[in-house]
Amino acid sequence: DVKVTQSSRYLVKRTGEKVFLECVQDMDHENMFWYRQDPGLGLRLIYFSYDVKMKEKGDIPEGYSVSREKKERFSLILESASTNQTSMYLCASTPGGRNTIYFGEGSWLTVV
Amino acid sequence: AQSVSQHNHHVILSEAASLELGCNYSYGGTVNLFWYVQYPGQHLQLLLKYFSGDPLVKGIKGFEAEFIKSKFSFNLRKPSVQWSDTAEYFCAVTRGSTLGRLYFGRGTQLTVWP
Repeated sequence: DVKVTQSSRYLVKRTGEKVFLECVQDMDHENMFWYRQDPGLGLRLIYFSYDVKMKEKGDIPEGYSVSREKKERFSLILESASTNQTSMYLCASTPGGRNTIYFGEGSWLTVV
Repeated sequence: AQSVSQHNHHVILSEAASLELGCNYSYGGTVNLFWYVQYPGQHLQLLLKYFSGDPLVKGIKGFEAEFIKSKFSFNLRKPSVQWSDTAEYFCAVTRGSTLGRLYFGRGTQLTVWP
């Protein structure tokens, strides 16, 4: 079974803190994604990566950055957390081609 | 820009009722279509997908969806819902012959009363 693991399920951070959300997949997938899920807005793409050290902006990249130093790991970074970044963050991966995209269980982030 | 529309934000049904959730997309080229479900407190799970071939796709748990290219639609159906189908349902689309980013609809919350 493909496994996409988000190491932190629930986090509470203070405004201005730097936040790291980690995602690891165990199936050697090239493509990895970070989404944000908010009620009534569905899932919105923050950043994605097609290969190691490659990244592309999604629809809402402001306030976020990413890092992909190894193929299996894709990190989302909030340089200075703000309350409007309180949300559920979902990581996903796929090998590319016409293959299923797999999601992690999500990380609930609350910024106070 | 690619967009995916789910017209129903919240659907409430009684058990054994039939379900149809609408999904329309705006891209005119080749698309790959998905329905995902998210049960309360759980992660997104794939219900079904369409890449090519028979436009009527059967998925897990008795769900099916029909791709109607002329209408840019991929509606989800189930003939008889159960209380356990209570969840949020997301339609998603990727473009072209290779999977890139997924474009999601805003989701439809389905509540089934026993």
